[in-house]
Amino acid sequence: NAGVTQTPKFQVLKTGQSMTLQCAQDMNHEYMSWYRQDPGMGLRLIHYSVGAGITDQGEVPNGYNVSRSTTEDFPLRLLSAAPSQTSVYFCASSFSRHPIGNTIYFGEGSWLTVV
Amino acid sequence: AQSVTQPDIHITVSEGASLELRCNYSYGATPYLFWYVQSPGQGLQLLLKYFSGDTLVQGIKGFEAEFKRSQSSFNLRKPSVHWSDAAEYFCAVGDETGNQFYFGTGTSLTVIP
Repeated sequence: NAGVTQTPKFQVLKTGQSMTLQCAQDMNHEYMSWYRQDPGMGLRLIHYSVGAGITDQGEVPNGYNVSRSTTEDFPLRLLSAAPSQTSVYFCASSFSRHPIGNTIYFGEGSWLTVV
Repeated sequence: AQSVTQPDIHITVSEGASLELRCNYSYGATPYLFWYVQSPGQGLQLLLKYFSGDTLVQGIKGFEAEFKRSQSSFNLRKPSVHWSDAAEYFCAVGDETGNQFYFGTGTSLTVIP
């Protein structure tokens, strides 16, 4: 049981490049989400999904795309990276579609630098 | 809109001393409140949560938090801090849909011998 796995752990991009942050969970969780963490800002929700084929925007969705074709995977795509997207990204999952009453499991983070 | 304020950016305490980390929230209805801890290079781990009922909630690692509606606060406490408690602590509030969480900016805890 690996929990929530994020790849890559570190990435440097040039402005304008595209990339995908991968997130996978092996706990059969319905709810998955992506956060970014910036100094002095705490964690902010980018996108979330309550099940395969269902995604929705969070607090800061601009510049990011997501899809949920399977229960296990929830990739985050940066179509044209900008320096403002330099951040630490966390994927999280929870068993329930409404995770309030359930434990949320976080991945170990992906450090992204856009130059 | 929901928001969470952690007024202390950084706190230093001696090992064995008591600890209180402050959290204030802004939310119209009964809030769902959480405290998470983040060790360096790691993801977040849930310490405790409050949904309803007893306003004093117990969590893991000897932490507790008290919900005070009149003060819109959910402060985290520990009677005796251990060196391993050094980490970043985040307070969070969940919205009524159960799908979105709003985090505070975090409090960094340093423990000195």
